[in-house]
Amino acid sequence: AQKVTQAQTEISVVEKEDVTLDCVYETRDTTYYLFWYKQPPSGELVFLIRRNSFDEQNEISGRYSWNFQKSTSSFNFTITASQVVDSAVYFCAGNSGGSNYKLTFGKGTLLTVNP
Amino acid sequence: KAGVTQTPRYLIKTRGQQVTLSCSPISGHRSVSWYQQTPGQGLQFLFEYFSETQRNKGNFPGRFSGRQFSNSRSEMNVSTLELGDSALYLCASSPTLGSPLHFGNGTRLTVT
Repeated sequence: AQKVTQAQTEISVVEKEDVTLDCVYETRDTTYYLFWYKQPPSGELVFLIRRNSFDEQNEISGRYSWNFQKSTSSFNFTITASQVVDSAVYFCAGNSGGSNYKLTFGKGTLLTVNP
Repeated sequence: KAGVTQTPRYLIKTRGQQVTLSCSPISGHRSVSWYQQTPGQGLQFLFEYFSETQRNKGNFPGRFSGRQFSNSRSEMNVSTLELGDSALYLCASSPTLGSPLHFGNGTRLTVT
């Protein structure tokens, strides 16, 4: 069985601050995918990034960056210079066993960016 | 390209009734998955269909069922509704294994 832990339930920052969301994925499988999704108040889960277990290269996309460390099972997500529009619930998810369609989600982190 | 479309957006039902939710995947996507989201349990996988066949099933009672049609559209049915079935039901589609899931806006079901 897989387990996704997002230790931070809620984070509140002021606009332009940097913020890092933590995620730990536990599995016995050696091959898996990790994802980050964003859920704004509208309810739709918006895909942000996917990383496979063999790729530990960090990635930067605009104000977003991700840090995956297989040794610690962590897949952290950083927003640089946060904006009010970044306010949402962020979910980390993972899948194992080759089935991309059955994701195990963390409980989510509610990020509030105040002006 | 149109996204994943779920209908209806909101539903209010009474205990004991049954309900059918609909999902139209992104054109070309053959896999459709369903998830239930509640404040207590979070996001939980219900089932996944590919080419009209259920390939994976989550840990839900038999009251939850689904199907997929030849055009990849999918429906989910919940019979004998219970108060605990109140949730946001999310549908997702994907073109191939390894591709990210694309989610719809969900159907918010309230059981009274």
